[in-house]
Amino acid sequence: DGGITQSPKYLFRKEGQNVTLSCEQNLNHDAMYWYRQDPGQGLRLIYYSQIVNDFQKGDIAEGYSVSREKKESFPLTVTSAQKNPTAFYLCASSIQGQANYGYTFGSGTRLTVV
Amino acid sequence: AQKVTQAQTEISVVEKEDVTLDCVYETRDTTYYLFWYKQPPSGELVFLIRRNSFDEQNEISGRYSWNFQKSTSSFNFTITASQVVDSAVYFCALSEAYGGATNKLIFGTGTLLAVQP
Repeated sequence: DGGITQSPKYLFRKEGQNVTLSCEQNLNHDAMYWYRQDPGQGLRLIYYSQIVNDFQKGDIAEGYSVSREKKESFPLTVTSAQKNPTAFYLCASSIQGQANYGYTFGSGTRLTVV
Repeated sequence: AQKVTQAQTEISVVEKEDVTLDCVYETRDTTYYLFWYKQPPSGELVFLIRRNSFDEQNEISGRYSWNFQKSTSSFNFTITASQVVDSAVYFCALSEAYGGATNKLIFGTGTLLAVQP
């Protein structure tokens, strides 16, 4: 079955470390997205990519970086510059140019700074 | 500018009660799409429904129903005879057909529904 796989499900990071969250999809979707969700909060867009080797900043890109070397993969790196990285991170994908499609979401990664 | 407002932050009901989750949107486009997603405690967002701006017919799916009213820019979601399994965060979202090269979804802040047994 097609879908989005995020790993790991739980991640612990020491202060000052970079960590990378994995997002892989086998839906053949062009567009991929990263969102951050804090407790009791909505979804905030970090980065998105519409095509391989291209990506754009979302609303809260500071302290994060991404790459899109393959259509299937859109990893997110939380750098040491991110002041408050503890949050739930969701990856999503969609069919580029089809506004009626909506998103397919992964199951998320919960990142905790220890 | 596009915007989705879910004014109800949290709702608590007792099982078997009916509950309505409100969603109000803003857009300048005449063609757009509205969505509802459910986020259970496991975290993954699950698609519930999509509605396009030209289709104002209400929709019913089992205990779920949706009321789309363009005149008030609202797309409300009603759960009839709520069950404990309905406990989740529910997100309303908007996508504009002509929103540039992307079809980014604009999400509301979500409504946490707690159904007590």
